[in-house]
Amino acid sequence: GQQVMQIPQYQHVQEGEDFTTYCNSSTTLSNIQWYKQRPGGHPVFLIQLVKSGEVKKQKRLTFQFGEAKKNSSLHITATQTTDVGTYFCAGINTGTASKLTFGTGTRLQVTL
Amino acid sequence: DAGVIQSPRHEVTEMGQEVTLRCKPISGHDYLFWYRQTMMRGLELLIYFNNNVPIDDSGMPEDRFSAKMPNASFSTLKIQPSEPRDSAVYFCASSLPVSGGAYEQYFGPGTRLTVT
Repeated sequence: GQQVMQIPQYQHVQEGEDFTTYCNSSTTLSNIQWYKQRPGGHPVFLIQLVKSGEVKKQKRLTFQFGEAKKNSSLHITATQTTDVGTYFCAGINTGTASKLTFGTGTRLQVTL
Repeated sequence: DAGVIQSPRHEVTEMGQEVTLRCKPISGHDYLFWYRQTMMRGLELLIYFNNNVPIDDSGMPEDRFSAKMPNASFSTLKIQPSEPRDSAVYFCASSLPVSGGAYEQYFGPGTRLTVT
């Protein structure tokens, strides 16, 4: 079945440093979504990417979708303690538009 | 907007007992999803419904698990009999498709299930 892997599993940064998580799918995706889960919380939708090579920005967060639509990345510039949490990518295969396959997640810890 | 509502928030039960988890999706959302989250297996889709009809239950681990959606505003996930390995956080999510088949899912707060 489809697998979606993320690296790294965990990253610890100091406030102000940048952070990047990478997402790789075993199959070509139609769309990819990103979610953030705070400790003890539930996943919250951040963004969706649809087009090959698409880049979207939300303030300090930059999301990219690979040209082959099999990988994606999330980059956070100048991390803040409010960025703490686990970031998940979630892929949607062509023909299964309603079904998300979540990645393994990257847990981000930010300290002062 | 109340968001997705789940109950109970915490459940502790003994092995062999029946467990029922409940979910109320956001009004107007016609997709409902049940997920399970554990450290070992991450976030797994168990089953999802469209307009109250189960579409894909391939993620349901075994016959001990069953899910129903009797109407647009209510769904249950039942485990009978429960086992310690069922201990996890169970999330319900709902969504409303937007143009192009793309959508976002709104998650409930989850039910933390502990089976002893």
